[in-house]
This record gives sequence, C-alpha cells and structure tokens, in this order.
Amino acid sequence: GAGVSQSPSNKVTEKGKDVELRCDPISGHTALYWYRQRLGQGLEFLIYFQGNSAPDKSGLPSDRFSAERTGESVSTLTIQRTQQEDSAVYLCASSTSWTGTEAFFGQGTRLTVV
Amino acid sequence: KNQVEQSPQSLIILEGKNCTLQCNYTVSPFSNLRWYKQDTGRGPVSLTIMTFSENTKSNGRYTATLDADTKQSSLHITASQLSDSASYICVVYSSASKIIFGSGTRLSIRP
Repeated sequence: GAGVSQSPSNKVTEKGKDVELRCDPISGHTALYWYRQRLGQGLEFLIYFQGNSAPDKSGLPSDRFSAERTGESVSTLTIQRTQQEDSAVYLCASSTSWTGTEAFFGQGTRLTVV
Repeated sequence: KNQVEQSPQSLIILEGKNCTLQCNYTVSPFSNLRWYKQDTGRGPVSLTIMTFSENTKSNGRYTATLDADTKQSSLHITASQLSDSASYICVVYSSASKIIFGSGTRLSIRP
C-alpha cells in the first residue's frame, strides 16, 4: 500500500483479555517501530525491528507485551491480560533503514480497556 | 541520557499571528532532527529535517533552525492558520538506530 496501515483502528476490550494489533509497513521498509501514546502525552518507544536482526525490546513496559515481525513485512503487537493503564493509541512506523531516514507513521490503533 | 525537551507545553495564539516553538536535546550520536506535526487522531507527519550542517530551512510558512553547538532547534510558524492547530513534535534521530521523541507542543489557533 501507499502508507503504513494499522488495524483495527479502534479496539475496546475487557480487562484481563488479550489483544493483538497489526501493522503493515510500507513495502520495502526494513525498519519498523511500535510506539504508545497515552492521552495528551508524548510518544513512548516500545520495540524496534530492523531486517533480520534481533529486535530492540528495551521499551516494552512489561512481559505482558510482545511483538513479532515476519521478515520485512507485517508486525503484530500482542498485549496479554490487558489492564486499564494499557489504554492508549498504539502507533506503528516504518522507514527504509535505521540510519536516520524518515519514519512514516500509521494512523494508530486506539485501545480502550474497560 | 538521551532526551528531547520542548517548550512551551501548550500555546494559544490568534489566527494570523506568528509563533516559535523550542526544542532542546541531549542525544548522542546525532544523525538529524525532524519536526513532526500530529493532528488530533492522526499519526505524526514530518514537516522538515535538519542535518548537522544546516542552520535554517523553510517549508512554506514553517521555518526550522538548528544550533548544533548548543543543541537547540526552533520551529517558527508565520501567519498562522486554523489548520495549524495540532501537536508539534521535535524528534531527534540518532545514528545508533534510535528515534527520540519530545513530548510535543500543543498549538491552538483561535479565530
């Protein structure tokens, strides 16, 4: 596609349930990032994938969070046993390489845990 | 510690007026600095990129500056329009594959 695509755009889930968020990066982009943005706050880094290298998971807030990426394509972010503090917009971005080229963002998935 | 700090946190100005947003950073190594605009409910979109050797760059009514010695950048918006209402995020790209985001300035333009 022309841009980074994320699905679903909105997700409401009950506390304790697992959720899976999907990101389709721009074709050919080797780098993929996940960020979390709580209401009225800045972007919080979660995880970074670059090609076939081991991902940088240093931003994941707890072991309830995990992410996978198949090669240089789709990535999924999974949150297990969701808590209310997980409510946020989850943004995915991709770029052509890791050497400072522009990261293009998707529209995000708004997650609400009730 | 790699940090990007922005000021002010929020700003309200009248349509047609100018404004300047500030960004200070302590990121090393440094690759480039970008200003992103984030409309409500949308993902951030890059407005301009500043590399180490560039001091000023314009993109329409937006002018960005960079002082690599003091590690400061600014974004100046001229003749503001209602559509400029958004969050403006200063982002520093580190050549060590990190992207460090500021917390943003929330700009509101009043008619």
